[in-house]
Amino acid sequence: GQNIDQPTEMTATEGAIVQINCTYQTSGFNGLFWYQQHAGEAPTFLSYNVLDGLEEKGRFSSFLSRSKGYSYLLLKELQMKDSASYLCAVMRNFNKFYFGSGTKLNVKP
Amino acid sequence: EAQVTQNPRYLITVTGKKLTVTCSQNMNHEYMSWYRQDPGLGLRQIYYSMNVEVTDKGDVPEGYKVSRKEKRNFPLILESPSPNQTSLYFCASSLEAGGEGYTFGSGTRLTVV
Repeated sequence: GQNIDQPTEMTATEGAIVQINCTYQTSGFNGLFWYQQHAGEAPTFLSYNVLDGLEEKGRFSSFLSRSKGYSYLLLKELQMKDSASYLCAVMRNFNKFYFGSGTKLNVKP
Repeated sequence: EAQVTQNPRYLITVTGKKLTVTCSQNMNHEYMSWYRQDPGLGLRQIYYSMNVEVTDKGDVPEGYKVSRKEKRNFPLILESPSPNQTSLYFCASSLEAGGEGYTFGSGTRLTVV
């Protein structure tokens, strides 16, 4: 298997900024995805990074460093609805996906 | 509405009784995958398909079969289910390998007793 590590759980305050890290070790790397999954629901796509650097999409940004095997998801202006699990996934050889165990984010008022 | 439809949503079955979980997408996507999700283990890829009649094993294919006879459908078959296949299953599809990522179905919660 592939080693994909992310923190199990994080807590942050409404309106704040939170950074969720993901480290990975893999060969044949073709990109890194972030998904959001609310409890009892399906994952939904947030971002895809294939080149180094920062990709910004509204309140969410994702960063990738291929040389370091490292990515993070940055959530700004946190809202209560952002309470969910955030899944990091690495794509190998354009077809195989390896997910981390997910980071459960708790947003408090 | 663009979507991935899985059926059934919930299923309780007995060990050894063959079952099929259906998956259909209406977005003309090339790529489709099946995953299982277990607490503490995250999503693990079972099988994937790059197009009609093209399928391959993911990380945990043992005990599962798939077929891709039409572009829109990608059923998951458990020939002889066992209790360790009790899990939450997701089907997903994508137009391309990267880009906008995969669209997931609503999930099938399977219990094998």
